[in-house]
Amino acid sequence: QQQVKQSPQSLIVQKGGISIINCAYENTAFDYFPWYQQFPGKGPALLIAIRPDVSEKKEGRFTISFNKSAKQFSLHIMDSQPGDSATYFCAASNDKIIFGKGTRLHILP
Amino acid sequence: NAGVMQNPRHLVRRRGQEARLRCSPVKGHSHVYWYRQLPEEGLKFMVYLQKENIIDESGMPKERFSAEFPKEGPSILRIQQVVRGDSAAYFCASSPGQGGYGYTFGSGTRLTVV
Repeated sequence: QQQVKQSPQSLIVQKGGISIINCAYENTAFDYFPWYQQFPGKGPALLIAIRPDVSEKKEGRFTISFNKSAKQFSLHIMDSQPGDSATYFCAASNDKIIFGKGTRLHILP
Repeated sequence: NAGVMQNPRHLVRRRGQEARLRCSPVKGHSHVYWYRQLPEEGLKFMVYLQKENIIDESGMPKERFSAEFPKEGPSILRIQQVVRGDSAAYFCASSPGQGGYGYTFGSGTRLTVV
């Protein structure tokens, strides 16, 4: 049972463009929604996170938008750079983190 | 100031052998989680442990897999009689408490079964 659905599976964006990754969840008991970034050969690293009582959180070029009624949330990367090329995972948690399947993002130079 | 330490980084086993993966959590973290990553499948939860206790093993295969987090020493994920399908990257994370906050991941162990 996949509790966190993520799309798209892969994404190509021009340098300077906006990268958007979408996620949906099923379990209303989730109370923490982090995004992780993973580079090849490395472990996932926390990028940004949000709680369901907030509709938006921004940290630098990264923004999470959260729609509690629709049970959806998304990551926006503004002014995307080649160094942002990585795999991004959305996740949801109550007692443990459940991950989406990931989005491979490639930023064209 | 070390993060989560996993070893070995790479492990090659022949079918039927045992694989032992080690995870030393961040100092002061008492919660450990193991995940398996297969290509194109993201990270799948396997087991959640606190010191000397298994809290949630709902993602562990029923046979051949076991995990422990003893009072002293690292957490161990043990795979007995490995098969080709066990080839994957195994990641460990630790946190100071439950709930997903403050998770820190290790760099993983890449297991190859030949």
